[in-house]
Amino acid sequence: TQLLEQSPQFLSIQEGENLTVYCNSSSVFSSLQWYRQEPGEGPVLLVTVVTGGEVKKLKRLTFQFGDARKDSSLHITAAQPGDTGLYLCGSVHSNYQLIWGAGTKLIIKP
Amino acid sequence: SAVISQKPSRDICQRGTSLTIQCQVDSQVTMMFWYRQQPGQSLTLIATANQGSEATYESGFVIDKFPISRPNLTFSTLTVSNMSPEDSSIYLCSVWTSGGNEQFFGPGTRLTVL
Repeated sequence: TQLLEQSPQFLSIQEGENLTVYCNSSSVFSSLQWYRQEPGEGPVLLVTVVTGGEVKKLKRLTFQFGDARKDSSLHITAAQPGDTGLYLCGSVHSNYQLIWGAGTKLIIKP
Repeated sequence: SAVISQKPSRDICQRGTSLTIQCQVDSQVTMMFWYRQQPGQSLTLIATANQGSEATYESGFVIDKFPISRPNLTFSTLTVSNMSPEDSSIYLCSVWTSGGNEQFFGPGTRLTVL
């Protein structure tokens, strides 16, 4: 069974700082997705990475997929209070089920 | 895309009672999932509820405790039966849309059992 190791599980930083969240596995991902969840809502997809070495940008968020497709990272530049939330990585498994990382609870202090 | 609503959004229940959570989707979808989530933590899959077949439960979850109905392609219910305080959690339904590569989630039902 593929397991996703996500770190850190909690991060509290000041507005304007940079941060990186990691998602790793001992197995190769077919694809990897990053979701963000705000309190009182369900997770919302940010990005899907499929190709080894792929880099995708979403405003101040940069997503990287490792060359071997075993790891991924989410980097936020100049974090804003609006970035506060729970970030989840997920890998599509059989029957369209997602295997989830443990989640990173991010707090950006003004 | 899919827009999903859940009812109730939250509830406080007494030990030993049951609560049925409703999930309504604005389009027809084959694959629907029910999750449980502790606040600030990751998601745990309870079961997959596909229309036309019985729900498939993950390890640690049984039909007697979490009966699921899936009467059509836009609706499902999850019942939390004979509740105990350990059942206090957020319950989310989600769907995969046909031809899509994304799960869409409902807003969740926050359940507190006293």
